[in-house]
Amino acid sequence: DGGITQSPKYLFRKEGQNVTLSCEQNLNHDAMYWYRQDPGQGLRLIYYSQIVNDFQKGDIAEGYSVSREKKESFPLTVTSAQKNPTAFYLCASISRGSGNTEAFFGQGTRLTVV
Amino acid sequence: DAKTTQPTSMDCAEGRAANLPCNHSTISGNEYVYWYRQIHSQGPQYIIHGLKNNETNEMASLIITEDRKSSTLILPHATLRDTAVYYCIVRVATYNFNKFYFGSGTKLNVKP
Repeated sequence: DGGITQSPKYLFRKEGQNVTLSCEQNLNHDAMYWYRQDPGQGLRLIYYSQIVNDFQKGDIAEGYSVSREKKESFPLTVTSAQKNPTAFYLCASISRGSGNTEAFFGQGTRLTVV
Repeated sequence: DAKTTQPTSMDCAEGRAANLPCNHSTISGNEYVYWYRQIHSQGPQYIIHGLKNNETNEMASLIITEDRKSSTLILPHATLRDTAVYYCIVRVATYNFNKFYFGSGTKLNVKP
């Protein structure tokens, strides 16, 4: 089955540690996105990538880093510079085209700093 | 991409139609209107999208006003499983992708 997979579902991190969230898709989609969601809030864009080896900052990129070495994969690293990393993280992908296509989302990773 | 405005929450009786409004007064001619929903602690799920004409699929109907400044998502017979946050998004239809924004959405409470 084609889809987008995020792992792990739950992640705990000690303060001061970097942690990497995985996002893999087998939909052959060009563009991939990372969002952050805080309780009771909407989704805020962290980073997005339109094509392999290229990515752009979203609205809240500080304290995060990404890479796009393969079309299928868009990992997000939450660095120690992110002062409030506890949140729900969502990855999405979409195919390149006329714009008349929907985005597919993973099931999310809930990150908690302990 | 244009921004959207939605009510914070709405109630609907089970079995009745749920009509969720969205304002997108700054939408431009090449922007589509998309609707997604998010059930608690899951990834958003695509519902429907449209450009100018009204659209219908097995989940919902989308009514877009003639001036395209607002739209309404209609769930014809709401069930308890339709309780979720519904997001209205506008997205430019270009070959290259830009950001697309989610607002805070509308929390739909379907009551027995």
